[in-house]
Amino acid sequence: SQQGEEDPQALSIQEGENATMNCSYKTSINNLQWYRQNSGRGLVHLILIRSNEREKHSGRLRVTLDTSKKSSSLLITASRAADTASYFCATAVHNTGTASKLTFGTGTRLQVTL
Amino acid sequence: NAGVTQTPKFQVLKTGQSMTLQCAQDMNHEYMSWYRQDPGMGLRLIHYSVGAGITDQGEVPNGYNVSRSTTEDFPLRLLSAAPSQTSVYFCASTLRTLGPYNEQFFGPGTRLTVL
Repeated sequence: SQQGEEDPQALSIQEGENATMNCSYKTSINNLQWYRQNSGRGLVHLILIRSNEREKHSGRLRVTLDTSKKSSSLLITASRAADTASYFCATAVHNTGTASKLTFGTGTRLQVTL
Repeated sequence: NAGVTQTPKFQVLKTGQSMTLQCAQDMNHEYMSWYRQDPGMGLRLIHYSVGAGITDQGEVPNGYNVSRSTTEDFPLRLLSAAPSQTSVYFCASTLRTLGPYNEQFFGPGTRLTVL
């Protein structure tokens, strides 16, 4: 089963609106990362939030982390057509006795229309 | 800097054929990894390497081999392609320190179809 699962699976909004997508995970994490993937392209790192942080900002992006609920949210404010992409959360988990690893969720497809 | 490059961009194989997916990075990153992306499954880790001469298995290693003779290159070999290996393959790299905890830099991907 997936460590990180995004919700919703798909989101359609109009330009200028805010977009919020959520990520839930199952085990304790070291950090949580958000990535963007444009159609047919590789993933691009957006923001990393550590387990001892609750909120982080980067430009129009705002990420929150609630470790008690094992969840994170990504807010994109004043969306633009160029924000149309799939967004993935990835959790960095330390496994005792095995290598630490980064586990990706299944993604949220965001469509921003004019 | 070219970042992370992957070749080829597209490939069609017949069942049983072998091939190598190339990955190179020019950022002096010691930690490199291979993922496959399938619809509805997210990205799954195939193999990773923490430096030249050191590789290890990820979540879905069966049917794939890797080697790491230089810091720059991390090729992925399909030994005997199967239709289940139809996927998009991504190579990623980052600093060795903290490895998977770091921001990952991804290549553009190779779309592989096995008939």
